Amino acid sequence: GIQVEQSPPDLILQEGANSTLRCNFSDSVNNLQWFHQNPWGQLINLFYIPSGTKQNGRLSATTVATERYSLLYISSSQTTDSGVYFCAVRQTQTGANNLFFGTGTRLTVIP
Amino acid sequence: DSGVTQTPKHLITATGQRVTLRCSPRSGDLSVYWYQQSLDQGLQFLIQYYNGEERAKGNILERFSAQQFPDLHSELNLSSLELGDSALYFCASSGLTYEQYFGPGTRLTVT
Repeated sequence: GIQVEQSPPDLILQEGANSTLRCNFSDSVNNLQWFHQNPWGQLINLFYIPSGTKQNGRLSATTVATERYSLLYISSSQTTDSGVYFCAVRQTQTGANNLFFGTGTRLTVIP
Repeated sequence: DSGVTQTPKHLITATGQRVTLRCSPRSGDLSVYWYQQSLDQGLQFLIQYYNGEERAKGNILERFSAQQFPDLHSELNLSSLELGDSALYFCASSGLTYEQYFGPGTRLTVT
C-alpha cells in the first residue's frame, strides 16, 4: 500500500507559538484528511483537503498533490491543541475508499 | 460529535472469548469502515461495507468478521481473542464526498 510519513514525530510548544506539521505520501491520492486525536482517543476531523488550501480559525492546511505532500499549520497554539495529529490518504490507483494513516505527530502545548 | 456512534465504549474480556462491537453511521451515509488502532501497528484499515455489501478488505484476521444490516448499522465480531487483539477499534462512515467521520471508538482489553 501507499506509504504515509509524518514529521516531526514529536513537538513541544509554548502556548502561543506557531507550528507546521508535514505529511508526505508515496503515490497519487484523491483524498487527504487531517485528524486530531485528543487525549480521550477521539479522532476529530480537521480538514478534508485533496488539494489546495483551507483555513479554519487558527488552523490551516495546504496540499500539493503533484508533489505528494500536505502541511498543517497551527497558529497561536493553546493547551487544548495537545494530542496526536494524523494525516490519512485515499490512494487513487487501487480505487478503494479506505484511508491509509501516517504514524502521527504528537503535539504537547505547555502553558 | 461526528454523528457516528459506537457501543460499547469499553470492553474487558478474557483470551479465547468472542465479542461484538456495534456501529451506527451518520444519517444518510451508506459506507461503513472498521479500523484498529494498536500501539505497535498504528491505525489500520480492517474492512469496508457499502449498503450491506462487503466492499474492501484490509488487514483483517480470519478470526474477525463483520456485517452491515439493512438499517445500515454494522457489527464487528472478534473471536478466539488473543492478548494482541487489545486495541482501540474505530468505526467510520462516509457519504458521497468520501470524507470519513469517525466514531468515539471501542477500547478492547483482552486479559
